[in-house]
Amino acid sequence: QVQLVQSGAEVREPGSSVKVSCKASGGTFSTYALGWLRQAPGQGLEWMGRIIPMIGIENYAQKFQGRVTFSVDKSTGTAYMELRSLKSGDTAMYYCARQEGDEGWFDPWGQGTLVTVSS
Amino acid sequence: SYVVTQPPSVSVAPGQTATITCAGNNIGGRSVHWYRQKPGQAPVLLIFYGSGRPSGIPERFSGSNSENTATLSISRVEAGDEADYYCQVWDSNSDHVFGTGTKVTVL
Repeated sequence: QVQLVQSGAEVREPGSSVKVSCKASGGTFSTYALGWLRQAPGQGLEWMGRIIPMIGIENYAQKFQGRVTFSVDKSTGTAYMELRSLKSGDTAMYYCARQEGDEGWFDPWGQGTLVTVSS
Repeated sequence: SYVVTQPPSVSVAPGQTATITCAGNNIGGRSVHWYRQKPGQAPVLLIFYGSGRPSGIPERFSGSNSENTATLSISRVEAGDEADYYCQVWDSNSDHVFGTGTKVTVL
């Protein structure tokens, strides 16, 4: 089964941007969708959107529209999530996860990338 | 927006059954998925489509769904089952919605 390996922790100042990577280990993304989710400290899970790497279709949760971009480098099997205009409220663990269809579940998950926004 | 509510905590003695609920309007007509998250770890899928179990998930974990409540049951609870548990549903207006999470404590 494919494993998802994410990039390391990041610290950013308010107003800046961050780009988190997610690499499919042991294979490619194939034809499935890749979801991006986040979890603020001590809080629940929040879906940010998804991308279908093979065909580049992206969907974003309304809350993040205009501030987040998903992309894929098919040559390296790596997906990226860029979040701009960072605020302290964006401090969270960010996860990539294989998304089963438009309405389905998430499995497996990457190990998570902690993004801290602080001046 | 669609909201799903879970009890903040559930306590259960070893060997007993833990029952975790996920309440939402007409959730019985939706696909519900369940995850376990241990401290410092990413979530792990336990149940999909209400009652399906991925390979590697023990039969002790089971799910059901009816009317306004979905339920995750953990039978023969072990100390290693201590974790946070989340339900997830999809809504056409709210996209993917996660429950508020339930912390399971093994007494």
